[in-house]
Formats: sequence, structure tokens, C-alpha cells
Amino acid sequence: NAGVTQTPKFQVLKTGQSMTLQCAQDMNHNSMYWYRQDPGMGLRLIYYSASEGTTDKGEVPNGYNVSRLNKREFSLRLESAAPSQTSVYFCASSKSRDRHYEQYFGPGTRLTVT
Amino acid sequence: AQSVTQPDIHITVSEGASLELRCNYSYGATPYLFWYVQSPGQGLQLLLKYFSGDTLVQGIKGFEAEFKRSQSSFNLRKPSVHWSDAAEYFCAVGARNNDMRFGAGTRLTVKP
Repeated sequence: NAGVTQTPKFQVLKTGQSMTLQCAQDMNHNSMYWYRQDPGMGLRLIYYSASEGTTDKGEVPNGYNVSRLNKREFSLRLESAAPSQTSVYFCASSKSRDRHYEQYFGPGTRLTVT
Repeated sequence: AQSVTQPDIHITVSEGASLELRCNYSYGATPYLFWYVQSPGQGLQLLLKYFSGDTLVQGIKGFEAEFKRSQSSFNLRKPSVHWSDAAEYFCAVGARNNDMRFGAGTRLTVKP
């Protein structure tokens, strides 16, 4: 099993450009999450999907949109990138939103917006 | 709302020495507590978790953590650090619906 995979690994954008970060999991998990990681701030939740067909805002959703394409895939879209969105983005998944279940993380996408 | 504080941004220990990483949490109910490790360029890997029961929990790679409700703490320990333990360590508290709040992280450097 590959676990949680993310593409791309690295990306450089100019201000105003758009892009989509892709995430897929092969663990048959119901819930998926997008986090951003900034120095000194730990991980902050952007959006999550409790189950296929549902999405909800997390702590820092502004400037992002998400799509739960199917049970396996959960994408994050930046419509008009800003330098403040320079960060490392992590996708995670868990069996459900029940807090008994740990979250499994992908390797991350390092995004730079110039 | 729940929150996590990791007071130490960076810790350096010698290989073979003992390690303790501090974590304090704020949460109104019984917390679900986690420690994750992140090696350079990698995602986060779960080291251990506490839900209930025995307050001393064992994890992978020889790590353990002790939950102390009176001190709102969940410190991570290892009796003898190996060079491969150099990484960033995150404490997290899980609230209802698996909303997790992460601490800012502690970076561990291991001296030979």
C-alpha cells in the first residue's frame, strides 16, 4: 500500500496564478484533510471531508477550495495564489472523524508563491 | 477550544543521553493526545497516542509519554537517543470529530 500520496512535491507559482494540489489514499478511509505547515505554527487545518460528497472549512480556509472527487481523492485548489500561501501542504486521511482514529499523512507539497 | 503548547522550539542532546520533550494542552474534556514525528522532507508519522486508561503509554521507536491531568501535560520521553531520532516532534490534541490542534513543534538535534 502506498498510503497517502500527494502531487506535486514542489511547485513555484507567481502571484495570481492558480493550481490544484492532488491527494489520494488507498486505505479505504472515509475522512480526508488538508493542512498547511508554517514555521513556528505547527499544522493548521484548511479543509476537511468527513465522507465522500461532503467538505467543510477548517481553521484557515480563506483563499482555498477543495473537491472530494471520490472516496480516494481529495484535491486542494488555489484560485489566485498569494505570497501568504507559501507553505508546505499536507494531506491526511483517517478511517472516520471519530477521534479514536489516527490520521495518516502524505509526504507534503512545498509551495512557493513569488 | 483546544490548544497545545510546546515550550521548547529546539533541543540538542548527545547521542545516548535521555530525552524529554514537553507538551502542555488546554482542553475542557478528556483529551485525546498524540505525538507525531516528522523527519526532514517527510510527512508526519504517529509515535503514540493516549485515549484513556494507563497514563504511561508506549510508542514506536522506544518512545513513551506520560499523561498528567493535574499538570495538563503529555511529555514525550526516550531513555537513550539515537542519531536517527533527529527530527521535528509535534504534540497534538484531538477534540470531538477528530479536529486536531497541533503544537508548533520541537526540533531535536542529536550530537555525536
